[in-house]
Amino acid sequence: AQSVTQLDSHVSVSEGTPVLLRCNYSSSYSPSLFWYVQHPNKGLQLLLKYTSAATLVKGINGFEAEFKKSETSFHLTKPSAHMSDAAEYFCGASNTGGFKTIFGAGTRLFVKA
Amino acid sequence: KAGVTQTPRYLIKTRGQQVTLSCSPISGHRSVSWYQQTPGQGLQFLFEYFSETQRNKGNFPGRFSGRQFSNSRSEMNVSTLELGDSALYLCASSSNNEQFFGPGTRLTVL
Repeated sequence: AQSVTQLDSHVSVSEGTPVLLRCNYSSSYSPSLFWYVQHPNKGLQLLLKYTSAATLVKGINGFEAEFKKSETSFHLTKPSAHMSDAAEYFCGASNTGGFKTIFGAGTRLFVKA
Repeated sequence: KAGVTQTPRYLIKTRGQQVTLSCSPISGHRSVSWYQQTPGQGLQFLFEYFSETQRNKGNFPGRFSGRQFSNSRSEMNVSTLELGDSALYLCASSSNNEQFFGPGTRLTVL
């Protein structure tokens, strides 16, 4: 069975400091992995995806994530937080054979001025 | 390209009623997936349709059903609504291993 665990329900950082949002996955196969962001009353926006190419994936808005198979992790990072980054972030995994994404519970990112 | 559109954006129903939600995917996308988002359960996969056929299904009761038309537009139906069905229902249109989400339909069951 496939599962995704986001290790922190809330993360608070100061503007201009690094962001780290943690995600572990469990899958019988090599999954595709995703990070999405959701702003209030909006749908999900794809930040980046891993699909078995480069293990370090760069996404939009300065975010990146590193796939570590040995640790079954796919943590999301950003060198310098901006106030506009405050939102909820979801890590997701899907196997081949269609678009069935299993999501983590989400991490709420707070950015302090 | 226009994004994924979902209608209506907001719905209020009472217990026992049924509801139909609509999703129009991005032009050219043949896969449409549906998700339920609630504060308690998070984002849960409902089902996926591809070329008018259900390709994947989540663990929801039979009261939740869907279909896809030849133009790839999709509808989901929930019958005999329960209070616990109150949620944001998200539709995603997919191609090239990427899902593009619509803004969702907020369903409130009273």
